[in-house]
Formats: sequence, C-alpha cells, structure tokens
Amino acid sequence: DADVTQTPRNRITKTGKRIMLECSQTKGHDRMYWYRQDPGLGLRLIYYSFDVKDINKGEISDGYSVSRQAQAKFSLSLESAIPNQTALYFCATSDNRAGGNIQYFGAGTRLSVL
Amino acid sequence: DAKTTQPPSMDCAEGRAANLPCNHSTISGNEYVYWYRQIHSQGPQYIIHGLKNNETNEMASLIITEDRKSSTLILPHATLRDTAVYYCIVRTYGGATNKLIFGTGTLLAVQP
Repeated sequence: DADVTQTPRNRITKTGKRIMLECSQTKGHDRMYWYRQDPGLGLRLIYYSFDVKDINKGEISDGYSVSRQAQAKFSLSLESAIPNQTALYFCATSDNRAGGNIQYFGAGTRLSVL
Repeated sequence: DAKTTQPPSMDCAEGRAANLPCNHSTISGNEYVYWYRQIHSQGPQYIIHGLKNNETNEMASLIITEDRKSSTLILPHATLRDTAVYYCIVRTYGGATNKLIFGTGTLLAVQP
C-alpha cells in the first residue's frame, strides 16, 4: 500500500551494528504495527502502538525497540543486530474499522545481518 | 482465535473463477472471517471479511456456510496478477493486540 512507506527497502548490515527501520503513513490511522516474516512462515508481531503515547510488545520483541515519533511515524530499531534477525520486516496500520483487523501493510524491508 | 485449515496450493486457469476454501470448525459466534493475500515478498493485502452473511466487494466474494464452519473466497475472473498466497484468518473485533495470525495459507497459481 503506497500510503504506508517503509525505508529502506533493502539493508545489509553486520553483526553488532545498530540499525533503524522507518515507517510512515498518510492514512491518518492511529494504530501501527511491526511484523517480521521468515521464509515459509507467517508474520509475527514485534511491537504495536495504538497511539503516540501507547507502545506495546508483541510476541517477539526481544532484541528490538520502537519509537512512535508522531501519529504518522513508527520506527523499529535493532540495537545490536544478530544474524537470526535476518528477515523481511513489515509495517502496518489500521483504524478502528472491523475492530482494527483491516490492516494496511507497507512494501517491506528486507534485512540481512551478516 | 479459532484455528483455520487451508489447502497448501491450488491452480486456476486465467479467466476462470478461483474458489479458495477455508475450514474453521471451532469458530465462535463473535468471530469474523478475514481474507488477506500476499503476492511474492510484498506486504499482505486485505481482501474481504464477513461474519455470517455472504459479502462481495470489488476484489472478491466471500461465501460463509450457514453453520459458519467453513468459507470460500471467490475471485470471479482470475488473472495472472492474482497469483499469491491467500490467508484465511478468524478474529474477534478488537482484542488486546489486533494481532493477525497468518498461517501458511494457500498458494494460488493462476495459469495462462
């Protein structure tokens, strides 16, 4: 969805480096999410935020942190990247329609940690 | 959230209707059925959702059986661009996280 923009689209980094993935949206949604996808697997929720002052851990938050700088911006950081964080990362947004279950996803960031 | 079961893969000829089944025999009364698709390595895309009535939008139709234990997503005239993994998800409205649980889905291959 072009209304949800992720940068960078691809990133290669080394073990131990700090890296930030950014997400911005023009949909005016309050809720934002970060997921990761590993090959052949479904998406797993890392962090989610229901508004600027609300940050919540998902099922696999260890090794990650987030910042909700504004309603439209939600960044994911890997403080010290490790190889098993190599994955495809997706940002998503939603409003209250359908209880928040209609989510709009960005194009993804493919991260490789060497 | 109720568990869903989908066939791992299906083929469909271009221009024909694609009918993707989903079993959700343990669905409870307040759970909705959602369909998403993911074209190779792109972000998942919402398609449609429903509770118990059949639903139609510009992308697809959703048929839910009367006992709600299964549903079928119908793409009326499949094109090559519809080749994707299709996910059937059962969720209540709201909930603590709005976490969508994407299983392994059905890989639909539209053949020319």
